[in-house]
Amino acid sequence: GAVVSQHPSWVICKSGTSVKIECRSLDFQATTMFWYRQFPKQSLMLMATSNEGSKATYEQGVEKDKFLINHASLTLSTLTVTSAHPEDSSFYICSASAGTGEPRNYGYTFGSGTRLTVV
Amino acid sequence: EDQVTQSPEALRLQEGESSSLNCSYTVSGLRGLFWYRQDPGKGPEFLFTLYSAGEEKEKERLKATLTKKESFLHITAPKPEDSATYLCAAQYNFNKFYFGSGTKLNVKP
Repeated sequence: GAVVSQHPSWVICKSGTSVKIECRSLDFQATTMFWYRQFPKQSLMLMATSNEGSKATYEQGVEKDKFLINHASLTLSTLTVTSAHPEDSSFYICSASAGTGEPRNYGYTFGSGTRLTVV
Repeated sequence: EDQVTQSPEALRLQEGESSSLNCSYTVSGLRGLFWYRQDPGKGPEFLFTLYSAGEEKEKERLKATLTKKESFLHITAPKPEDSATYLCAAQYNFNKFYFGSGTKLNVKP
């Protein structure tokens, strides 16, 4: 089945530094990947849609200069949290669709998530 | 305002005690209702997609149903390994979803 690998699974960084999170589709090509943020006991919030070879599409309220997304190949998207602050601490999850058209029978495959803690 | 609400927030069951989880949605132009399972510290795992009122899908001890306003995830004779947070998500546009905050299920042996 479709597998999405996310790395690292957890990271602790100092305030003011930048952190890069990788999302790879291991056995399929993904022209589109998605980045979500999840706070404890809250729902997943879509941050941005990452498109291979073009600029990411950010949701309203998400700072594009703070959350840099690069989708350089059909199997890799990266999210860089720049100048991280404690309020950026959260669980970040990527997802991708292994199929084309409507995701009728396969949904979306999610990565295992990255727990970011900014101290 | 479009939204997805799940209830209860948490549910404790004894092994073998069947129950249902609720997902109420108010989404214009619903394109699909998705159910996911999420284990602690992990990403969601796809379970089902439902597209039209009256549709049902089953997988082992789980059965998902859909009406025009809500979806239910029925768990029959649950086992401890069914313990997880169950998320529903309403697709309102191609590749776009509103997620509920989840129901945390704990099945005790």
